[in-house]
Amino acid sequence: DVKVTQSSRYLVKRTGEKVFLECVQDMDHENMFWYRQDPGLGLRLIYFSYDVKMKEKGDIPEGYSVSREKKERFSLILESASTNQTSMYLCASSLLWGSNTGELFFGEGSRLTVL
Amino acid sequence: DQQVKQNSPSLSVQEGRISILNCDYTNSMFDYFLWYKKYPAEGPTFLISISSIKDKNEDGRFTVFLNKSAKHLSLHIVPSQPGDSAVYFCAARSSRGSQGNLIFGKGTKLSVKP
Repeated sequence: DVKVTQSSRYLVKRTGEKVFLECVQDMDHENMFWYRQDPGLGLRLIYFSYDVKMKEKGDIPEGYSVSREKKERFSLILESASTNQTSMYLCASSLLWGSNTGELFFGEGSRLTVL
Repeated sequence: DQQVKQNSPSLSVQEGRISILNCDYTNSMFDYFLWYKKYPAEGPTFLISISSIKDKNEDGRFTVFLNKSAKHLSLHIVPSQPGDSAVYFCAARSSRGSQGNLIFGKGTKLSVKP
């Protein structure tokens, strides 16, 4: 079974703090993604990566950065957290697009509250 | 501009009856469609998918129908069970896109009442 593990299930941070969200997958997937989920807004793509050290902006990259130094690990960074970044953050991985149906495997999510 | 739309934020169904969740899309380049199910405080899990070359795909109690001319798909759950209560996301992708990213709808919250 594919396993996508997010380092923290729940975090509480203060405005202006730097926040790291870590994600590790164990299936040697090329693609990794960070989404946020908010009520009434669905899943919105923040950043994705299709290879080590490669990254692409998603729909809402402002206020976020990412790092992919190893194939299995994809980190989301909030340089200076703000209250509007309070959300559920979901990491996902998948095989290369051309080789599969595009199914994403999600982690359990990280609930971030910024005070 | 939403490319994948789930116009019903919520749906309530009696146990044993059919649940029908609808999804519309605007991008004619989409050629693969997926449904995900999400329980509170958990990540979404893949439920069922359909390629644009088909109009129906069935897996146990779950059936997805695709109407390409109407750019519409629906997920049928028969019979509905209380454990099906969750948020359901419709997603679509184009294999000809730059990375083929999945585009998600906003979700429909299904409540199945005993």
